[in-house]
Amino acid sequence: SQQGEEDPQALSIQEGENATMNCSYKTSINNLQWYRQNSGRGLVHLILIRSNEREKHSGRLRVTLDTSKKSSSLLITASRAADTASYFCATEGGADGLTFGKGTHLIIQP
Amino acid sequence: DAGVIQSPRHEVTEMGQEVTLRCKPISGHDYLFWYRQTMMRGLELLIYFNNNVPIDDSGMPEDRFSAKMPNASFSTLKIQPSEPRDSAVYFCASSFWSLGWSGNTIYFGEGSWLTVV
Repeated sequence: SQQGEEDPQALSIQEGENATMNCSYKTSINNLQWYRQNSGRGLVHLILIRSNEREKHSGRLRVTLDTSKKSSSLLITASRAADTASYFCATEGGADGLTFGKGTHLIIQP
Repeated sequence: DAGVIQSPRHEVTEMGQEVTLRCKPISGHDYLFWYRQTMMRGLELLIYFNNNVPIDDSGMPEDRFSAKMPNASFSTLKIQPSEPRDSAVYFCASSFWSLGWSGNTIYFGEGSWLTVV
């Protein structure tokens, strides 16, 4: 089944800097989503981008999608300590729910 | 809304014991998913239900795993007998899913942290 793979696996930056995470997938999709998981908690939906969209914004989040390269990026601007979490991309290709990658662990240093 | 509710949050059990994890989905959602998360394998879809009917259980690792959804507001994931390699976080998630619509998202519970010793 199709699966997103996030890159890098771990990222550590200073508070206030921008954080960029990437996701690659294998087959055609209906949409791609990003989720956040705080330590010891469940995943929370952040943003969804459809296959016919190229860029989407939500607050400090910017997501891009390049279907020709089968890749997406998540940019978090002006990072805060509270952004420390794992970030997962998930792809939807049909009737089999969402398939998740293994995540990028983001640490924001104060 | 209270969100997806899972119990227990933490369980430590001995190898060979039966483990039952419980889930109450968000009211009105017609899809329910069980995922397992480990460091090695990431987040794996085990099984999902639509209107209480199991649709795809191809992710269930072995016959030791079983899942039921007797009604729209309750589901269980059972492991019998449990083994140390079953140690993981088990998530239940629910959604109002519409086939053919490209905007489906799912809502996760806080997870059940299982340790089998």
